[in-house]
Amino acid sequence: QQQVKQSPQSLIVQKGGISIINCAYENTAFDYFPWYQQFPGKGPALLIAIRPDVSEKKEGRFTISFNKSAKQFSLHIMDSQPGDSATYFCAPDMDSSYKLIFGSGTRLLVRP
Amino acid sequence: DAGITQSPRHKVTETGTPVTLRCHQTENHRYMYWYRQDPGHGLRLIHYSYGVKDTDKGEVSDGYSVSRSKTEDFLLTLESATSSQTSVYFCASSGQGYFYGYTFGSGTRLTVV
Repeated sequence: QQQVKQSPQSLIVQKGGISIINCAYENTAFDYFPWYQQFPGKGPALLIAIRPDVSEKKEGRFTISFNKSAKQFSLHIMDSQPGDSATYFCAPDMDSSYKLIFGSGTRLLVRP
Repeated sequence: DAGITQSPRHKVTETGTPVTLRCHQTENHRYMYWYRQDPGHGLRLIHYSYGVKDTDKGEVSDGYSVSRSKTEDFLLTLESATSSQTSVYFCASSGQGYFYGYTFGSGTRLTVV
């Protein structure tokens, strides 16, 4: 059952550009929408998350945009830096699910 | 990776041999998870635990078993390793509620030859 669809699979952005990664979900019971960041050789780490009572959340250069009616949420990385080069995963969740399901991941490369 | 230790970090084993991967957390988290990560598949849940001796299957549980005898330890066992189980395995934990996110270990790279 494909509950989460993430796009694109890979993304190349020039330094200073905007990186945009999208996540579409099916389960309307999801009520927590996080993005995880993973560097090579490391486990994923929570980057930023949003609850459905707001449409946007910004933390530094990272912004989540949430569209409840379209069942989509996006990660925007402003002024992308080479240090942002990593794999990003969306993982929508809900209370008592006990099963965090990840998107397939987006490999971001930010060129100097 | 603070609070979660996985061992070993790397392992090469032969087809048909049993393998046990270990996960140790110091966060006193109630929930623990085993994921595998493969190119093109992202992270897939193998098994999870919602308390000591309470475990359940994830989406790719065939060929794997788990045990949790203490809050801090979660073991993943491949009863008879196959080449399709070559992967990077991640352990994770959560404790304060799903909206605080999960904490992951640094992974175990397992190669079955």
